[in-house]
Amino acid sequence: AQKITQTQPGMFVQEKEAVTLDCTYDTSDQSYGLFWYKQPSSGEMIFLIYQGSYDEQNATEGRYSLNFQKARKSANLVISASQLGDSAMYFCAMREGRDNDMRFGAGTRLTVKP
Amino acid sequence: SQTIHQWPATLVQPVGSPLSLECTVEGTSNPNLYWYRQAAGRGLQLLFYSVGIGQISSEVPQNLSASRPQDRQFILSSKKLLLSDSGFYLCAWSRDRTDYGYTFGSGTRLTVV
Repeated sequence: AQKITQTQPGMFVQEKEAVTLDCTYDTSDQSYGLFWYKQPSSGEMIFLIYQGSYDEQNATEGRYSLNFQKARKSANLVISASQLGDSAMYFCAMREGRDNDMRFGAGTRLTVKP
Repeated sequence: SQTIHQWPATLVQPVGSPLSLECTVEGTSNPNLYWYRQAAGRGLQLLFYSVGIGQISSEVPQNLSASRPQDRQFILSSKKLLLSDSGFYLCAWSRDRTDYGYTFGSGTRLTVV
């Protein structure tokens, strides 16, 4: 079964507007971590933001924020004031307490329009 | 600070030829090490991970193997490449903690012709 689901294969956003990238996850662990990565066309994987399962506040890092809804098992990434350089693939990922590995979603390709 | 190096950046190899991709980590000890493959426009598939020297776990049976001869060195190999081995290969390191993300190398783009 899929541990991480990203239902949006592609998204478009106008420059300077905000965009939300969806991510839902499946776990029975109480302790887990949620991550978002950005992958530009160069291929490198860039860490963006982290949310711990026990964190009560939504994580924020500059223009990135994570809308964490634990009961709904969702961890959506919000990018405010989109820039052309935000065009990339975005991956949601989870690490569970019992598991060594980080599980990745299929990714969402974001295109920022000028 | 910790850094991860992966090489080569690009590689074009004929079918049936051997493969060796190397990944090394600096600035830390006893890291967890990972090899991922990514097909064009797709997600990441975990191939191998290692929690220590000589300890390799395989996620998917395939034409590839991995070795960890030193604490901070992780090697991905194949004796005979297949066309289906083409893809983008990423090495990563981490700690065994849920609050620790992965740090990735810059990747190797492999084309088997």
